[in-house]
Amino acid sequence: EAQVTQNPRYLITVTGKKLTVTCSQNMNHEYMSWYRQDPGLGLRQIYYSMNVEVTDKGDVPEGYKVSRKEKRNFPLILESPSPNQTSLYFCASRRQGANYGYTFGSGTRLTVV
Amino acid sequence: AQSVTQLDSQVPVFEEAPVELRCNYSSSVSVYLFWYVQYPNQGLQLLLKYLSGSTLVESINGFEAEFNKSQTSFHLRKPSVHISDTAEYFCAVTLDFGNEKLTFGTGTRLTIIP
Repeated sequence: EAQVTQNPRYLITVTGKKLTVTCSQNMNHEYMSWYRQDPGLGLRQIYYSMNVEVTDKGDVPEGYKVSRKEKRNFPLILESPSPNQTSLYFCASRRQGANYGYTFGSGTRLTVV
Repeated sequence: AQSVTQLDSQVPVFEEAPVELRCNYSSSVSVYLFWYVQYPNQGLQLLLKYLSGSTLVESINGFEAEFNKSQTSFHLRKPSVHISDTAEYFCAVTLDFGNEKLTFGTGTRLTIIP
């Protein structure tokens, strides 16, 4: 089944403790992206990657890192999480070309206390 | 840069009544437009998209959206809603060049009243 897999689904952590949210897709998509969803703000792009070793900042990149060493994986790293990073995070992928729609993962609900 | 406005954050509708969810975009160049749906506790799914050609696009579950260039709108409609349509709906826009960033609206929560 074609899908984007995120782990974990739920995570509670403490301020300052480094964490990684994994994202993997099995569709050989070139383009991958991370979004955060907050009430009243919709989805905002954190980082995106147009292909292996090619990443760039989205609208809200502060406090996040990403890497794209393999085509299928696009982990999101929070080096020192803070409470304002409490949010619902989505990874998404699509084929190269803006006319293609995204396939989204099921989301990761992160709480930083 | 492109932007999307969804003025209605919540829309309650009686079952079997028609619904329209409004979406307006801002861009000085040609765009691609999308509607995504998010059912409770799930990720987003592509509902329909407008790329070019016919301004009326349809989804497999009875929704349709009409691209109106003069009004810069892409409203989503359904003539008769069902309980299973309860979800949050997001309008999104992207340019067909550059970083191809997809920009989302703030979403409209559709609640169906039995």
